[in-house]
Amino acid sequence: SYVLTQPPSVSVAPGKTATITCGGNNIGVESVHWYQHHPGQAPVSLIYYNPDRPSGIPERISGSNSDNTATLTITRVEAGDEADYYCQVWDLNTDSWVFGGGTKLTVL
Amino acid sequence: VQLVESGGGVVQAGGSRRLSCAASGMAFNDYIFHWVRQVPGKGLEWLALLSFDETRKSLRGSVIGRFTVSRDTFKKTVYLQMAGLRLEDTAIYFCAANRGDGSFDFWGQGTLVSVSS
Repeated sequence: SYVLTQPPSVSVAPGKTATITCGGNNIGVESVHWYQHHPGQAPVSLIYYNPDRPSGIPERISGSNSDNTATLTITRVEAGDEADYYCQVWDLNTDSWVFGGGTKLTVL
Repeated sequence: VQLVESGGGVVQAGGSRRLSCAASGMAFNDYIFHWVRQVPGKGLEWLALLSFDETRKSLRGSVIGRFTVSRDTFKKTVYLQMAGLRLEDTAIYFCAANRGDGSFDFWGQGTLVSVSS
């Protein structure tokens, strides 16, 4: 089955830029989705069909995808961005969905 | 749009539990419904999907034979029937919905299932 690999943690100072990667075999040809998850709450869709954003998601959150890595970029990081972030793709071969292991973003 | 899960609780290992996901404010027939869980301290794990007409039904390999999904279109409710529960099934179970291969646009708040020995 398809595997998505994310770094367990990323730390960034307020106002700086956070970059969260998602590695997968030839992920550049996949439709990648990204979610933000604050513990105790429902996950929120941030990026769909990389790099589109749902309404209400600020422009400082963006996605890119190439070769074997998809990337979520958050500029001008705020305290409220501290959360877990997950990438996701659909595995056509098994009609199943795959999440990356998640990245905990810490705002210093 | 609202997805509300229910049915969580404490269950003994080897036991069964049925979770429900009631949908409102959405065209039930337009969406595919999913169950996703989060084991304490771990990440999100997709478990199952079901289309409203049941033409698409899929389960994560590790739960095939123990979990099943079904729906009641009149009640606009999707179910996750779990059997042979194991300690490692202790998790928050979320219901989510999407269209086609799009992102999961809607999520419930989750329901906690605790499996005890």
